[in-house]
Amino acid sequence: AQSVTQLDSQVPVFEEAPVELRCNYSSSVSVYLFWYVQYPNQGLQLLLKYLSGSTLVKGINGFEAEFNKSQTSFHLRKPSVHISDTAEYFCAVGNTGGFKTIFGAGTRLFVKA
Amino acid sequence: DAGVTQSPTHLIKTRGQHVTLRCSPISGHKSVSWYQQVLGQGPQFIFQYYEKEERGRGNFPDRFSARQFPNYSSELNVNALLLGDSALYLCASSLSGQNYEQYFGPGTRLTVT
Repeated sequence: AQSVTQLDSQVPVFEEAPVELRCNYSSSVSVYLFWYVQYPNQGLQLLLKYLSGSTLVKGINGFEAEFNKSQTSFHLRKPSVHISDTAEYFCAVGNTGGFKTIFGAGTRLFVKA
Repeated sequence: DAGVTQSPTHLIKTRGQHVTLRCSPISGHKSVSWYQQVLGQGPQFIFQYYEKEERGRGNFPDRFSARQFPNYSSELNVNALLLGDSALYLCASSLSGQNYEQYFGPGTRLTVT
């Protein structure tokens, strides 16, 4: 069975500082990995995805993530955050059939002025 | 282009009643997935439908059912509502049966009293 663990429930950070949101997964088969963002009272928006190929994945809004197979991690990073990045971020893993996506519990990023 | 739409936006029901939630995917998308997001948690996979066939089901009781229509819109039905069914129900559409790029609707907030 696949699972996702987001290691931090909340991450407070000052504006223009770098941030890393941590995600570990478990799976016995090949995985597809995703990061989604959810702004208050909205649905989820895909930030980036890893399907295959380069382990460094670049997404929207200046975010990037690195797939590390040996450490079963897929941490999300941004070198300089803005107030508008305040939101809930979800790491997710997809199964090889592609029809089921398992989400982590989420990390709330709070950017302070 | 219109995104994924869901109706209604909010809904209040009493224990024991049933509810029907509706979702219209992005034009051209043939797959719809349903998720339940309880407050403070990540979305939990309920169903995926592709080309009107159920492709996958999460760990939810038989009180939950869904279907997809010829125009690819979908309904989620929940019978014998429990207090624990109170959640945000999210619908996501994708072009194919592979959920590598899902587009989420804003959700339906269901409150069971």
